[in-house]
Amino acid sequence: AQTVTQSQPEMSVQEAETVTLSCTYDTSESNYYLFWYKQPPSRQMILVIRQEAYKQQNATENRFSVNFQKAAKSFSLKISDSQLGDTAMYFCAFMWRGGSEKLVFGKGMKLTVNP
Amino acid sequence: NAGVTQTPKFQVLKTGQSMTLQCAQDMNHNSMYWYRQDPGMGLRLIYYSASEGTTDKGEVPNGYNVSRLNKREFSLRLESAAPSQTSVYFCASRLAGSTYEQYFGPGTRLTVT
Repeated sequence: AQTVTQSQPEMSVQEAETVTLSCTYDTSESNYYLFWYKQPPSRQMILVIRQEAYKQQNATENRFSVNFQKAAKSFSLKISDSQLGDTAMYFCAFMWRGGSEKLVFGKGMKLTVNP
Repeated sequence: NAGVTQTPKFQVLKTGQSMTLQCAQDMNHNSMYWYRQDPGMGLRLIYYSASEGTTDKGEVPNGYNVSRLNKREFSLRLESAAPSQTSVYFCASRLAGSTYEQYFGPGTRLTVT
């Protein structure tokens, strides 16, 4: 069974600074997707970024980028130029492509951006 | 295009009562999912439906039933609510064969007293 671990339950950062959120996962599969979802106080789940395991290049989306280390089974999210609107819960998630397409989530991490 | 909608947004039940959470999507997605979110636990899959007419158990199915009424709608039923089912429930959908992104509804906060 796949598992996703987010070992830091909470972090804070000053506005405009850079912060990195860590995530590790455990799987014996080779073909999968990894995701970071953001959940602001509104409770809405919002996709931040996606990484296909077969791609060596790290995904980027504006201020958000990942450091995907497949051999180490590590998938960290870097947020550059942090903004107050980045304050949210962040969830790392795994999906095996060959299976039933279920998302397995980590327990989440609360990020607070301070002015 | 409303995306994924859920009703109700909030609900309070007494132990033993039953209720159905409704979910609908207007994106022509094949797959639909029900998750529950508890503090410190992330989101856990209750049931999913890979396509119209099929449903399968997820990680925490006990105490729940589902119905994939048609391609658009996927309901979650609590037959006899228990305090342990107090949670926030999310419905999600996904287009099969796509980039595997799941789109989430706004959630239902359920309290069982």
